[in-house]
Amino acid sequence: AQSVSQHNHHVILSEAASLELGCNYSYGGTVNLFWYVQYPGQHLQLLLKYFSGDPLVKGIKGFEAEFIKSKFSFNLRKPSVQWSDTAEYFCAVNDDYKLSFGAGTTVTVRA
Amino acid sequence: DVKVTQSSRYLVKRTGEKVFLECVQDMDHENMFWYRQDPGLGLRLIYFSYDVKMKEKGDIPEGYSVSREKKERFSLILESASTNQTSMYLCASRPTLGGGQPQHFGDGTRLSIL
Repeated sequence: AQSVSQHNHHVILSEAASLELGCNYSYGGTVNLFWYVQYPGQHLQLLLKYFSGDPLVKGIKGFEAEFIKSKFSFNLRKPSVQWSDTAEYFCAVNDDYKLSFGAGTTVTVRA
Repeated sequence: DVKVTQSSRYLVKRTGEKVFLECVQDMDHENMFWYRQDPGLGLRLIYFSYDVKMKEKGDIPEGYSVSREKKERFSLILESASTNQTSMYLCASRPTLGGGQPQHFGDGTRLSIL
């Protein structure tokens, strides 16, 4: 079964700073990769997904992620964060019938 | 827009009680899932169902059972609640198993077992 590692447990940033969250999964083959976000008090929402093709995928709210097959990585980026990006972010990998999730990264953006 | 509705946002029960968590989706999805979310552990799959009356164990099924009598409804049952089952429970659905389609999540039920 896949295991998913998110490098940071908690990240604290100021507004307009750039954000990068690391995600690595355990083994190769055909993978489908996802980033989900959970804003305080809300349900998990899909930020972006990778199935195939261009390894640089763009999602909602200015987020993007890069799939690097050789590194088993799918890192999330945003060039300039806003206070409203304060949330918990989860990386997930499609593992046969299910999703395997990372432990999550809490992002706090200071105004 | 897909709507996944969980019956309660907050629930408090006592040790030994039988607890039912309900989830309903309105998009005729075949697959439904129950996860628990704990700090530092992310989401862990308890059970999933790929069709009516069909169920499969996930990674942490011990102490839980599920029921799917109708396509839109997937229930999680704690047979005899224990304090280590205090957690946030998330229900999700998606159209089919294949193709890595994203799952759609409910708001969650925060369950406390006293």
